[in-house]
Amino acid sequence: AQSVTQLDSQVPVFEEAPVELRCNYSSSVSVYLFWYVQYPNQGLQLLLKYLSGSTLVESINGFEAEFNKSQTSFHLRKPSVHISDTAEYFCAVSETGGSYIPTFGRGTSLIVHP
Amino acid sequence: DGGITQSPKYLFRKEGQNVTLSCEQNLNHDAMYWYRQDPGQGLRLIYYSQIVNDFQKGDIAEGYSVSREKKESFPLTVTSAQKNPTAFYLCASTGSRSKTSSYYGYTFGSGTRLTVV
Repeated sequence: AQSVTQLDSQVPVFEEAPVELRCNYSSSVSVYLFWYVQYPNQGLQLLLKYLSGSTLVESINGFEAEFNKSQTSFHLRKPSVHISDTAEYFCAVSETGGSYIPTFGRGTSLIVHP
Repeated sequence: DGGITQSPKYLFRKEGQNVTLSCEQNLNHDAMYWYRQDPGQGLRLIYYSQIVNDFQKGDIAEGYSVSREKKESFPLTVTSAQKNPTAFYLCASTGSRSKTSSYYGYTFGSGTRLTVV
């Protein structure tokens, strides 16, 4: 069975600074990886996903994540954050060839200060 | 625009009462899911359905029930057997396995916040 660890429950950062949200996973088979974002009192939105191919995936709003198989990681990065990036971020993993249903991490709260 | 509609947005339940949360989608997605979200615990799967008239228990199904009579609808009933129902409930859907872009990655509703009073 797969598992996901988000190493930081909260990450405070100043506006225009870079940020990295860490995600590590555990699985005995190949995986698909996802990052979701949740704004207060809303549902989650898919930010980006890794299914296969290039290990670096990008979102339309400047976030990127890199799949590192040897380190079993899928860290999310942004070179310069905005106040509007303040939200909860969830990493998720699902095993290929299975039922697809992902396991979610506990979330990281990104707090961007002016 | 297509999406998932959850209603109501806020719901209050008295002790010993059953309540039903609505989830409707117009995405023509095959699979639908219910999750419970508690602070600091991420999302936990309650029930899911991959086809009409069929559904499976997730990790925390006790005290909950569902039905899937129509492709578009997947209501969740929180029964009196659920001892700690106060939480944020999220409904999600995905397309079929043959449509990779919509299969891998949930579309979520905006959630229902249930409070026991």
